[in-house]
Amino acid sequence: DIVMTQSPDSLAVSLGERATINCKSSQSVLYRSSNKNYLAWYQQKPGQPPKLLIYWASTRESGVPDRFTGSGSGTDFTLTISSLQAEDVAVYYCQQHYTTPNTFGQGTKLEIK
Amino acid sequence: EVQLVESGGGLVQPGGSLRLSCAASGFTFSAYAMSWVRQTPGKGLEWVSAITGSGNTYYTDSVKGRFTLSRDNSKNTMSLQMNSLRVDDTAVYYCAQEGAEARMGYFQHWGQGTLVTVSS
Repeated sequence: DIVMTQSPDSLAVSLGERATINCKSSQSVLYRSSNKNYLAWYQQKPGQPPKLLIYWASTRESGVPDRFTGSGSGTDFTLTISSLQAEDVAVYYCQQHYTTPNTFGQGTKLEIK
Repeated sequence: EVQLVESGGGLVQPGGSLRLSCAASGFTFSAYAMSWVRQTPGKGLEWVSAITGSGNTYYTDSVKGRFTLSRDNSKNTMSLQMNSLRVDDTAVYYCAQEGAEARMGYFQHWGQGTLVTVSS
């Protein structure tokens, strides 16, 4: 199975500042024939199911604010929130959709400093 | 608006069975693969099983031979039959819609989840 490792486990950022969450996969999730990275990001707020933010590593899901940006390739990926808003407080997960079983990172808890 | 509503969770003894259902609305059900993803405080998010629009099924190793996934496209429902339940199957189980008829592996819409507790 592909192991997904996120860093840091928790993060405190001031409102309006940039937040950066990293995700590393134990093997490449780049499908060379399509040149697509099979990596997704989710946001989960307390008492709610996860919400898809990004897939194919950098494709923003419809309705997701453009302050959320996914980047990276191969085994190293980043989710960047350009200007933190109060409603962004949540746990963020990366997930590889390259192969079955699809696997998730352990989560990064984002708080306001 | 896409809606996914899970039902069937509850308390069951180890070795017992439960059947989870997911009722879908707001989209062409047969055109999308569907999955179950479970979540525990200890193990986090774990993909469990998936079914394509045409009925091909996939399972994580820990549930193979114990869980059976099916769908009824005429009723817009998906069901997960869980047998030989173990304590470590305890989790909130989410129904999730994937990105296309075939397995895309990412989950565009999620239900609110149903809690399965396996305990004596």
